[in-house]
Amino acid sequence: SQQGEEDPQALSIQEGENATMNCSYKTSINNLQWYRQNSGRGLVHLILIRSNEREKHSGRLRVTLDTSKKSSSLLITASRAADTASYFCATDAEASGSARQLTFGSGTQLTVLP
Amino acid sequence: DADVTQTPRNRITKTGKRIMLECSQTKGHDRMYWYRQDPGLGLRLIYYSFDVKDINKGEISDGYSVSRQAQAKFSLSLESAIPNQTALYFCATSDDANSYEQYFGPGTRLTVT
Repeated sequence: SQQGEEDPQALSIQEGENATMNCSYKTSINNLQWYRQNSGRGLVHLILIRSNEREKHSGRLRVTLDTSKKSSSLLITASRAADTASYFCATDAEASGSARQLTFGSGTQLTVLP
Repeated sequence: DADVTQTPRNRITKTGKRIMLECSQTKGHDRMYWYRQDPGLGLRLIYYSFDVKDINKGEISDGYSVSRQAQAKFSLSLESAIPNQTALYFCATSDDANSYEQYFGPGTRLTVT
């Protein structure tokens, strides 16, 4: 079962615009992570936000977390064609205990048009 | 050199054949994972290992087996491949002393005909 679900499934924007992707999850978490996947390649970790954090920044990335709504958003500012990729949220559920497994959502396919 | 490598990168095999996918890492991490990815879907966990003596089933372990030969090596086997095992397979590692972010290999594209 998918713990995290991204919205929208696909997003197409012009270079320079901001891109916002959302993730909803079902159970209490230790942390939430965002990953990027270029077509047919492995996932690359972008940013991690802990359950006691509300916002985090890394370069052009801004992540928010609302544990009361069980949701997170990833904002990419001033997008570039090279940002074209699939973006996945992954949750580390409290219930997994020491196992600390990640459960991945189905992803948002972002296309940035030059 | 890549920190997490997978071999082969592409494989076409026939139904009923046994196949092994291999993963090696130079990150020194204790935790290793095998996932599969199907088109339009996220990753689903097949097996994971926290050290050489520890193997755990994930969400979709049926039809698969694993072997942790050393800290750096974690192999996934399909005992008798079937067409619905056609997918992209990823190996990943993580450092259990840190924040549990995972580092992924480049993937193996497996086609079962």
